[in-house]
Amino acid sequence: GAGVSQTPSNKVTEKGKYVELRCDPISGHTALYWYRQSLGQGPEFLIYFQGTGAADDSGLPNDRFFAVRPEGSVSTLKIQRTERGDSAVYLCASSAIAGGEQFFGPGTRLTVL
Amino acid sequence: GEDVEQSLFLSVREGDSSVINCTYTDSSSTYLYWYKQEPGAGLQLLTYIFSNMDMKQDQRLTVLLNKKDKHLSLRIADTQTGDSAIYFCAERGSSGGSYIPTFGRGTSLIVHP
Repeated sequence: GAGVSQTPSNKVTEKGKYVELRCDPISGHTALYWYRQSLGQGPEFLIYFQGTGAADDSGLPNDRFFAVRPEGSVSTLKIQRTERGDSAVYLCASSAIAGGEQFFGPGTRLTVL
Repeated sequence: GEDVEQSLFLSVREGDSSVINCTYTDSSSTYLYWYKQEPGAGLQLLTYIFSNMDMKQDQRLTVLLNKKDKHLSLRIADTQTGDSAIYFCAERGSSGGSYIPTFGRGTSLIVHP
């Protein structure tokens, strides 16, 4: 694809619900990253994939957050039992190789009511 | 842990130069980045500098690095209204093979006629 795409662009949910956020990286990029950006803050790292495996998940805030990348391309970030504090923009990025230039998607704005 | 600090706002007149400053704490930083984020969009890498460099120039952009003081700056010459955006400073170390940058909170650049 031309760039990193993320769906949906906006998601509104109620406290306690489950949500899935999808990221389509640039075709052929082996590394994929998830970040969370709260209002007035810079992106905070959540998890990084190299191929199908999570190379570093140290940024996931708790066990309600989980991400997968089963075929080494598309990734899904899953949030269980959402809380109002989870409201943020979730950014995805990909790079051709680990440590290479990261290309960011436009993000998914998650609002938990 | 690592910390990256930036001032939150900068207002300049169109045609003037803009200077956005950043300080960081990780002395093992290897790569230092400047990203631009326009409303509703993901981050776009503008430029980066290796820690063994003092300066890098790319068209209207000049990056200065003072490694001793852990101070990074981005100068935009002949600032245009299209330069209005949030600018993020980020650093990445090389210890442990980490590929994850740490971002500042961003500086909102406002360009007025």
